[in-house]
Amino acid sequence: DAGVIQSPRHEVTEMGQEVTLRCKPISGHDYLFWYRQTMMRGLELLIYFNNNVPIDDSGMPEDRFSAKMPNASFSTLKIQPSEPRDSAVYFCATEQYFGPGTRLTVL
Amino acid sequence: GDSVTQMEGPVTLSEEAFLTINCTYTATGYPSLFWYVQYPGEGLQLLLKATKADDKGSNKGFEATYRKETTSFHLEKGSVQVSDSAVYFCALTTEETSGSRLTFGEGTQLTVNP
Repeated sequence: DAGVIQSPRHEVTEMGQEVTLRCKPISGHDYLFWYRQTMMRGLELLIYFNNNVPIDDSGMPEDRFSAKMPNASFSTLKIQPSEPRDSAVYFCATEQYFGPGTRLTVL
Repeated sequence: GDSVTQMEGPVTLSEEAFLTINCTYTATGYPSLFWYVQYPGEGLQLLLKATKADDKGSNKGFEATYRKETTSFHLEKGSVQVSDSAVYFCALTTEETSGSRLTFGEGTQLTVNP
């Protein structure tokens, strides 16, 4: 198995633009997590799914953030509109295994 | 609620020194315990885990023993290398099924000098 796959690995965008981060989980894993990591706040859990159903989205910072998992092999995290304070590394994880992350920079 | 407290960093050691990074936890249920490592510019990698009291997790020369009586899971390595320089996170999960949500410590930055 290739592990958790995330794309893009790096994203630079301008304030106000829509950003979509993608994740392909490890096949057969029922749980999928989205995390955000910054120097100031450390590692934060944003939302997680079980069998494609969102279980807890209390960590999603604002309505600008949304996440979907339309099937067992794909999930997205969308930020619309993006702001400079959203700059961070966003990780997708399934079970206990993390993807390589997407480094987002919002100018 | 559940929480994990890690030894504050940063920690700086010379190559071949002995490493201990302390981790203690509070949990409402019976937790499984984990150590993750994050190398510069990379994601978190599961380093080792233990799922019940007195279990010892080990990997790449690192060890940690699940101590229920002291609610601890300290990470140790007998002889560190420069390549061990990274951030180390202690974590737990308390739910029945594997892969449910993790509670992380703040992370400990380790630098190993040649």
